Amino acid sequence: KNQVEQSPQSLIILEGKNCTLQCNYTVSPFSNLRWYKQDTGRGPVSLTIMTFSENTKSNGRYTATLDADTKQSSLHITASQLSDSASYICVFLRGNYQLIWGAGTKLIIKP
Amino acid sequence: EAEVAQSPRYKITEKSQAVAFWCDPISGHATLYWYRQILGQGPELLVQFQDESVVDDSQLPKDRFSAERLKGVDSTLKIQPAELGDSAMYLCASSPRDISYEQYFGPGTRLTVT
Repeated sequence: KNQVEQSPQSLIILEGKNCTLQCNYTVSPFSNLRWYKQDTGRGPVSLTIMTFSENTKSNGRYTATLDADTKQSSLHITASQLSDSASYICVFLRGNYQLIWGAGTKLIIKP
Repeated sequence: EAEVAQSPRYKITEKSQAVAFWCDPISGHATLYWYRQILGQGPELLVQFQDESVVDDSQLPKDRFSAERLKGVDSTLKIQPAELGDSAMYLCASSPRDISYEQYFGPGTRLTVT
């Protein structure tokens, strides 16, 4: 069964600290993996997109990694800012249009 | 920068009433999606349009939900009658033709059914 599990469910860190969010999956095969940021009450916004053959992709302070052997993806946030407070969701694309969504990790940055 | 527009942003309705949401995709995007997102969960696809045709509505509760995109541009999602369990965020997204993974999301409509 194609499933996506994200951990932790929620995370609180101090401003300026780094953090890593995890995404474990059983989706197979898939075309690409995308990490979204979703602010409270807003629609998701794409942060990174990786094909199944890529290992890492960066977008500013956000770095996504993909390990096909362990079936894990992670999103690392460096030098967190208050504006990073949001939910982060990993999404896999199967076939032409089937998206399989994780439930997200709710990140809270405290000053 | 072009955006997906949705209205209303918030809607409170009583159960058994009818409610409708509107979405205007990014100009030129052939594909339009309606998602339902329950708090603390990822979005769930309700219906996907390619131009004016429904491509996938397998998860749409057709006894009470309906969606249309008559001219292949903007779209309306309707719920009649609304139930308490319909309280959720309703997201609309659009993507260019044949590039379904490039979905751009609107701000969503937060529905509360009382």
